[in-house]
Amino acid sequence: QKEVEQDPGPLSVPEGAIVSLNCTYSNSAFQYFMWYRQYSRKGPELLMYTYSSGNKEDGRFTAQVDKSSKYISLFIRDSQPSDSATYLCAMSADNNDMRFGAGTRLTVKP
Amino acid sequence: NAGVTQTPKFRILKIGQSMTLQCTQDMNHNYMYWYRQDPGMGLKLIYYSVGAGITDKGEVPNGYNVSRSTTEDFPLRLELAAPSQTSVYFCASSYSRGATIKQYFGPGTRLTVT
Repeated sequence: QKEVEQDPGPLSVPEGAIVSLNCTYSNSAFQYFMWYRQYSRKGPELLMYTYSSGNKEDGRFTAQVDKSSKYISLFIRDSQPSDSATYLCAMSADNNDMRFGAGTRLTVKP
Repeated sequence: NAGVTQTPKFRILKIGQSMTLQCTQDMNHNYMYWYRQDPGMGLKLIYYSVGAGITDKGEVPNGYNVSRSTTEDFPLRLELAAPSQTSVYFCASSYSRGATIKQYFGPGTRLTVT
């Protein structure tokens, strides 16, 4: 079993849709949870950061962490074509040794 | 600010050759990282540093070495290159204070070993 599981997609949605991206993990020591966006042939950019359980909102993005289920989610409201990218989840026990999912490729169609 | 810069952008190595991937950041971040990303995969941590003179192994350190003599620079050394080291290499730096984390990645170095 991989330490971090993420459905690679691809996921295609119409513009304006709500997007739900998810990861599951097996290491109960993970305390730090991150979501990254990566455009093609570019470096990742940090979108959301959450420590321990709970929700965090930033504009159109909401990150949720459910440690009891070892499940994290990223929601994108009012999705735009510019949101088309690969989304990577990552998590860590010590905020340094991050373990990444494989990434979900998202396409938002106009 | 230039952010995180990496050189070279592309490189082809023959098996057994060595090279150094350069990484520089101008944000005075203490934390720096080297990752590799294989096609269709997430990133794997090779080495990281929490400050000048301090480095530590990540998930996949074998075949690589690092040094951190200054806050700005964090070079990654490949000795005796192998085809398994064909990948895209990303350097990153980060800063955290309380609940705030800022992290920035470089544009990557695409390395092919043949």
